[in-house]
Amino acid sequence: GAGVSQTPSNKVTEKGKYVELRCDPISGHTALYWYRQSLGQGPEFLIYFQGTGAADDSGLPNDRFFAVRPEGSVSTLKIQRTERGDSAVYLCASSHTPNYPTDTQYFGPGTRLTVL
Amino acid sequence: EDQVTQSPEALRLQEGESSSLNCSYTVSGLRGLFWYRQDPGKGPEFLFTLYSAGEEKEKERLKATLTKKESFLHITAPKPEDSATYLCAVRNDRGSTLGRLYFGRGTQLTVWP
Repeated sequence: GAGVSQTPSNKVTEKGKYVELRCDPISGHTALYWYRQSLGQGPEFLIYFQGTGAADDSGLPNDRFFAVRPEGSVSTLKIQRTERGDSAVYLCASSHTPNYPTDTQYFGPGTRLTVL
Repeated sequence: EDQVTQSPEALRLQEGESSSLNCSYTVSGLRGLFWYRQDPGKGPEFLFTLYSAGEEKEKERLKATLTKKESFLHITAPKPEDSATYLCAVRNDRGSTLGRLYFGRGTQLTVWP
């Protein structure tokens, strides 16, 4: 079946602009995760949704970052007043639910965000 | 604080030269240790999950093992197509952070013919 998809694959924006990144999870997965990966680093957790609600948003770096998942499927990560330090690859993952001990997160290809 | 350290940062092997990658971790209540493979410009691809010390899993030329403090990814007779960054991650059993994976920085493996 289809994996996790993310759009756009690349996004170039100017400092101070607003951007939206989209994630379409694997069908049937109720949990959705956003991570950020800087060059040479491992992915860093941002936020996790169980259904429509954010179960853990403690990884969001500041209030310029916000994510929604209004119908429990597609999610959008929104970044306001972008800064050059926001440049990174933003990864989305989905899983059935982390409440299951054997739960596995499957990742999408990522969106490469460049803030000029 | 939950933490993952991977070594070496980079590893170059000749085709057929077996070796091991290390993942050391500290976590309050391990609820799974995960290995992923990441190719340039791609998202991490799931390889293995290990849950308890002594557990081992294999897939083709890869074998993952787990102790109470570290995990090893053994690569037997590697081929150039095994070249990638290998990421290790852990999940804890705390309810508030159940969904979060804590990743290491990865080991960049290059296998040359």
